Amino acid sequence: AQKITQTQPGMFVQEKEAVTLDCTYDTSDPSYGLFWYKQPSSGEMIFLIYQGSYDQQNATEGRYSLNFQKARKSANLVISASQLGDSAMYFCAMREGDDMRFGAGTRLTVKP
Amino acid sequence: EAGVTQSPTHLIKTRGQQATLRCSPISGHTSVYWYQQALGLGLQFLLWYDEGEERNRGNFPPRFSGRQFPNYSSELNVNALELEDSALYLCASRSGTGVNQPQHFGDGTRLSIL
Repeated sequence: AQKITQTQPGMFVQEKEAVTLDCTYDTSDPSYGLFWYKQPSSGEMIFLIYQGSYDQQNATEGRYSLNFQKARKSANLVISASQLGDSAMYFCAMREGDDMRFGAGTRLTVKP
Repeated sequence: EAGVTQSPTHLIKTRGQQATLRCSPISGHTSVYWYQQALGLGLQFLLWYDEGEERNRGNFPPRFSGRQFPNYSSELNVNALELEDSALYLCASRSGTGVNQPQHFGDGTRLSIL
């Protein structure tokens, strides 16, 4: 069964607007971590933001925030004030113990 | 602090040859992970090494193998190369065992099989 699901293969957003990238996960472990990574066309994977399963507040890192809805098992990434440099693949990942699983990714294109 | 480094950046081989990819983790990180990413696709987990031992491997044939050295650097070896092995191979390292520790990735090695 798929542990991490990203249902949006591609997304478009106008420069300076906000965009939400969806991620749902499946686990029965009460302790887990959720991560988002950005992969530009050059290939490197850049760690963006982390949310722990016990965290009470949604994680934020600059223009990135994570909309964590534990009961719905969703961990959507919100990018505010999109910039052209945000165009990239975005991967959601979940760690349970030593096991880390990645979603299929969402390709975000920011339009000028 | 230096990040995860991978070499070579690009590697071109022909079918049937053998390829060796190298990875140096961030200083202090003992876990190294290898992933294969075919063009336009997601990351497929290959291997995980920690403290010099193979801890887990993904659903790949035995011709994909590797090792971790005492300094925690790692090698990925691919024998009897096939055309479908063409991909970006990403190495990641991690510190500690908690679920809150992210993996930090290198820039990858692009392996092309002609």
